[in-house]
Amino acid sequence: DAKTTQPNSMESNEEEPVHLPCNHSTISGTDYIHWYRQLPSQGPEYVIHGLTSNVNNRMASLAIAEDRKSSTLILHRATLRDAAVYYCILNSNSGYALNFGKGTSLLVTP
Amino acid sequence: DVKVTQSSRYLVKRTGEKVFLECVQDMDHENMFWYRQDPGLGLRLIYFSYDVKMKEKGDIPEGYSVSREKKERFSLILESASTNQTSMYLCASSFPGGNEKLFFGSGTQLSVL
Repeated sequence: DAKTTQPNSMESNEEEPVHLPCNHSTISGTDYIHWYRQLPSQGPEYVIHGLTSNVNNRMASLAIAEDRKSSTLILHRATLRDAAVYYCILNSNSGYALNFGKGTSLLVTP
Repeated sequence: DVKVTQSSRYLVKRTGEKVFLECVQDMDHENMFWYRQDPGLGLRLIYFSYDVKMKEKGDIPEGYSVSREKKERFSLILESASTNQTSMYLCASSFPGGNEKLFFGSGTQLSVL
């Protein structure tokens, strides 16, 4: 299964943009890139996903490298409520083993 | 609102007990998953199911089994609980397909004494 690599932790100031990187160098052509986040004491929640093109929704933007070997989740203006663990995973049509790994713990400071 | 419901938020069991963790989803999803989450280790996949009565092992299936008799319900079974199975257990469900999002329950914090 294709794996992802993320930094263990990142820090941001409130109201500043945050760029959370993810490397997935062994991604296959049918793998979708998904991002989830987990707030304290909750289950993970979906943030955004994409295949090849950049994607925007009300929560965030997803920038996908042209070769698809990396992606970046962009929070345009971090708030204290965005402090969470962010997971980048690959979701394939052909496989069902969704490996979450350890994710990136985002700290947002006022 | 779509829902994945885990039967207990907190559970305390004794070593050697048989433990059932229940998960129910109301979205008619084919896929269901069980993960455990431990500090510093992230989420690790225990078992998943892509249809009724179908199951596949994940990364850490040892000491666990599962049951999927109905589409909406996926049970995780600890045949003989041990202290190293103390953990947060998370259930998730989704439609099949790489572009389908996962929906998670709130989790069950299991303590085995």
